[in-house]
Amino acid sequence: QKEVEQDPGPLSVPEGAIVSLNCTYSNSAFQYFMWYRQYSRKGPELLMYTYSSGNKEDGRFTAQVDKSSKYISLFIRDSQPSDSATYLCAMGLVGGATNKLIFGTGTLLAVQP
Amino acid sequence: GAVVSQHPSRVICKSGTSVKIECRSLDFQATTMFWYRQFPKQSLMLMATSNEGSKATYEQGVEKDKFLINHASLTLSTLTVTSAHPEDSSFYICSARLSGGVYNEQFFGPGTRLTVL
Repeated sequence: QKEVEQDPGPLSVPEGAIVSLNCTYSNSAFQYFMWYRQYSRKGPELLMYTYSSGNKEDGRFTAQVDKSSKYISLFIRDSQPSDSATYLCAMGLVGGATNKLIFGTGTLLAVQP
Repeated sequence: GAVVSQHPSRVICKSGTSVKIECRSLDFQATTMFWYRQFPKQSLMLMATSNEGSKATYEQGVEKDKFLINHASLTLSTLTVTSAHPEDSSFYICSARLSGGVYNEQFFGPGTRLTVL
């Protein structure tokens, strides 16, 4: 079983839709969680990070963490064609010896105008 | 802030040659940098963790003699692909960890596309 599972998609939605992107994980020791956005042929861009269960909002983006279920989500409101990209979840340990992040496989999102 | 650059952005080389890729943190210090490779439509695969002033830590299955990493300063890490072969063609991405960051935030470079003929 992979440490982090993410539906690869592709996910196609109409402009203006609410998008829900999800990851599950198996290691209950993970303490912080991040979402990255990657456009084609570009490096990933950090969108949001959080360490506690609950919701964190930033503009049209909301990151949700449920540590009891080992489940994290990223919601995008009023989706735009410019949101079309691959979204990667990542998680790690505070003070972990290697400081490395564990990434999901990424979900390809296409927002149709 | 937190900008990471990579050079070159694209390189085409002949089989058997060596290629060096630079990763720089432009506006912050990074004691730790990471090197990933990414095949088309696949996720990031961590190759190695690069620590300033010490030897890199390689992930299982990554040949350290083939992928040489040098992290000579707090703002520069280099990856050298030695004796490159067509199967080494890939998208190589580096990231830099913000020193003192609580959550180990990593900021990524724009990537280097390597094509080995």
